[in-house]
Amino acid sequence: GQQLNQSPQSMFIQEGEDVSMNCTSSSIFNTWLWYKQDPGEGPVLLIALYKAGELTSNGRLTAQFGITRKDSFLNISASIPSDVGIYFCAGPISSGSARQLTFGSGTQLTVLP
Amino acid sequence: GAVVSQHPSRVICKSGTSVKIECRSLDFQATTMFWYRQFPKKSLMLMATSNEGSKATYEQGVEKDKFLINHASLTLSTLTVTSAHPEDSSFYICSASSGRYEQYFGPGTRLTVT
Repeated sequence: GQQLNQSPQSMFIQEGEDVSMNCTSSSIFNTWLWYKQDPGEGPVLLIALYKAGELTSNGRLTAQFGITRKDSFLNISASIPSDVGIYFCAGPISSGSARQLTFGSGTQLTVLP
Repeated sequence: GAVVSQHPSRVICKSGTSVKIECRSLDFQATTMFWYRQFPKKSLMLMATSNEGSKATYEQGVEKDKFLINHASLTLSTLTVTSAHPEDSSFYICSASSGRYEQYFGPGTRLTVT
């Protein structure tokens, strides 16, 4: 089945630094989604991407849909303490008729003061 | 917009009893709702997909008689864990979609079976 490989698994950064994480797929996707999950909460949608090459921003977050359609990147600029959490990429399950998603394994982000 | 609520947020039950979890889309009509299970420090695992008024579709390995799903309206889906056992203890999260790929998640329910 489809697999999403997300890296890095975890990151420890200083407040104010920029962050970059990525997701690769074994197959072509036509949609990429990025979510953030705080401890004990459900994931929150950050950015949705629909076209290869697309670059979309949401405040300090920027995500890109890779040209090959097999990868996506999420960048966070000038990190702050509330950026702490787990970031998941997600893409459609190709065999899903109801727009099911498959999720990456997540990137645990820790921001040090 | 796109707010999804989930109730209860936490529940502790005894082994052998059943627990019902509600998922509601508060400000949009959800043509499809999804139920996930998440183990500590792990990703989300899709359990089932439900469409309003029809039977849920379960993922491989998920027992449909154990995890009963009802999608009674375009704003409400329920998950009932029947005859719960300690191994059913987990974080259960629902999501709702209005037909696009974007899914909006509820805050999750922490189930502990003693």
